[in-house]
Amino acid sequence: EPEVTQTPSHQVTQMGQEVILRCVPISNHLYFYWYRQILGQKVEFLVSFYNNEISEKSEIFDDQFSVERPDGSNFTLKIRSTKLEDSAMYFCASSVLLSYNEQFFGPGTRLTVL
Amino acid sequence: EDKVVQSPLSLVVHEGDTVTLNCSYEVTNFRSLLWYKQEKKAPTFLFMLTSSGIEKKSGRLSSILDKKELFSILNITATQTGDSAIYLCAVISNDYKLSFGAGTTVTVRA
Repeated sequence: EPEVTQTPSHQVTQMGQEVILRCVPISNHLYFYWYRQILGQKVEFLVSFYNNEISEKSEIFDDQFSVERPDGSNFTLKIRSTKLEDSAMYFCASSVLLSYNEQFFGPGTRLTVL
Repeated sequence: EDKVVQSPLSLVVHEGDTVTLNCSYEVTNFRSLLWYKQEKKAPTFLFMLTSSGIEKKSGRLSSILDKKELFSILNITATQTGDSAIYLCAVISNDYKLSFGAGTTVTVRA
């Protein structure tokens, strides 16, 4: 069964460093998303992406964040200068269509900022 | 601001019991409501509900949406220890953002 994959599963970084989280969405999906879940808190929407553009982003997704689809398969989330409060589980998701179809989630990357 | 509230926050049941989880929402331009099961890491999709009053069923799980009263319930019958998880409710609005509730933690004891 096709699935969304994410690498790495766990990333530890120093405050102020840049990190890139990688996702490979399901191959025939057109819409891609990033979510984060701070430990013990709810899952929060960050950004949606379609046709090489950001479709929608939340207030959390500030200038420190960027997304890219550098090739036909990868979808990346970059955090330019990490802060302690960026420590969270980051989930990538993809869907065939934007609204009326379920989003399939990847296993997540746990980001720890020291 | 869109709001999705789940109740209860947690519950503990014994195998064989039935559980009912609630999700109420206040969302501008509602499109659909989704239920996810989160075990160790990523949420896995259970149901998507768009129309009121139509029950969706998958095995021992079922869910229904009431768009007039702005809530949904998720039922699990004949619970098993493998049903232990966090159950997340999420709502899609017209701007295509998925807003999650805080989740209900279900613990099923043998």
